[in-house]
Amino acid sequence: KQEVTQIPAALSVPEGENLVLNCSFTDSAIYNLQWFRQDPGKGLTSLLLIQSSQREQTSGRLNASLDKSSGRSTLYIAASQPGDSATYLCAVVAGSYQLTFGKGTKLSVIP
Amino acid sequence: GAGVSQTPSNKVTEKGKYVELRCDPISGHTALYWYRQSLGQGPEFLIYFQGTGAADDSGLPNDRFFAVRPEGSVSTLKIQRTERGDSAVYLCASSLKGVTEAFFGQGTRLTVV
Repeated sequence: KQEVTQIPAALSVPEGENLVLNCSFTDSAIYNLQWFRQDPGKGLTSLLLIQSSQREQTSGRLNASLDKSSGRSTLYIAASQPGDSATYLCAVVAGSYQLTFGKGTKLSVIP
Repeated sequence: GAGVSQTPSNKVTEKGKYVELRCDPISGHTALYWYRQSLGQGPEFLIYFQGTGAADDSGLPNDRFFAVRPEGSVSTLKIQRTERGDSAVYLCASSLKGVTEAFFGQGTRLTVV
């Protein structure tokens, strides 16, 4: 059974810092990995999708990497802003096409 | 529509009652998912549709939960004899097909009192 772990569970940084969120998964036979953002009381907003054949994807200040063989992904956020404060979730898609999620990292960016 | 739409946004029901939650996916998306999220947890898989058929319903917790997607578009999640433990946010997502980017709705917050 696929398990996804996100470390740390919570992170607080001052505005302007660069930061890295970590995601690990136990079964490397995945189709893709997707990073989401969730604001309190809201649904999930897709940030980046990395297909299994790719090593990284970039969108604006966000860069996600994937090392499928070691079962790891990182989400790098450059020059963090208070508006980046949210919970960040990673999810992997494997054999039955369901997304398996981690518990998320709650990010607080302090002005 | 432009995104995944879920109705109602909030539902309060009494223990033992029947509820239906609706999901309207992005037009043209053949894959549709239902998830359930409890406070402080990641979403947990319930069921996955490919077209009209349930390709994987292994996440449904028991036979009180049922979902349909009769025309391959709108889906309804049905919960019979609701229990307080069913209280959670129910999320729906759709994707063009199973391995492409998934887009989520805003969720339905179900509270069973």
